[in-house]
Amino acid sequence: GESVGLHLPTLSVQEGDNSIINCAYSNSASDYFIWYKQESGKGPQFIIDIRSNMDKRQGQRVTVLLNKTVKHLSLQIAATQPGDSAVYFCAVRAASGGSYIPTFGRGTSLIVHP
Amino acid sequence: DTGVSQNPRHKITKRGQNVTFRCDPISEHNRLYWYRQTLGQGPEFLTYFQNEAQLEKSRLLSDRFSAERPKGSFSTLEIQRTEQGDSAMYLCASSEGQGGTIYFGEGSWLTVV
Repeated sequence: GESVGLHLPTLSVQEGDNSIINCAYSNSASDYFIWYKQESGKGPQFIIDIRSNMDKRQGQRVTVLLNKTVKHLSLQIAATQPGDSAVYFCAVRAASGGSYIPTFGRGTSLIVHP
Repeated sequence: DTGVSQNPRHKITKRGQNVTFRCDPISEHNRLYWYRQTLGQGPEFLTYFQNEAQLEKSRLLSDRFSAERPKGSFSTLEIQRTEQGDSAMYLCASSEGQGGTIYFGEGSWLTVV
């Protein structure tokens, strides 16, 4: 099965800095990757996704990079703001057996200091 | 609000009681998922439906758990004879087809005392 892990459980940054959250996965058949943000007491909120035919995708202040060779993806947040403080999860999907169910990592807690 | 809706948001129950959670997915989404999340962990997959058909169940879904989606719209997750280890947040999510983005609800917190 798939295993998904984040490199750091906690990341502390200063307001205005750029943040980089990393994620590794194990299944080379994974073809869809999603980042979620989860604030305390709330459900995961979709941020950005990327498919395996791409290596970079940009959104508003966020960029996801995918390196399929080393099975690694990252979420970059530009000009981090206090409102970005949350737990960030990567989720990875592979169409094994047709179910296409995402597997989540444990999450990285991003703490933004004003 | 057209997002995924879950209720109740919080439930405290005594060990041994049964509880039921309801999920209303985004209206055009034919896939509905249930996940469980405990403190400090990522969501763990429990089961999913394609329309009214329950297509996959995780090994986490013991015999005390049952999920239904009778008309392919809302879904219920029932836990019978609750145990303290069932205390967690139960998350519902939905997507448009197997390749669609999965959107989550705000979750239903269960505390078993």
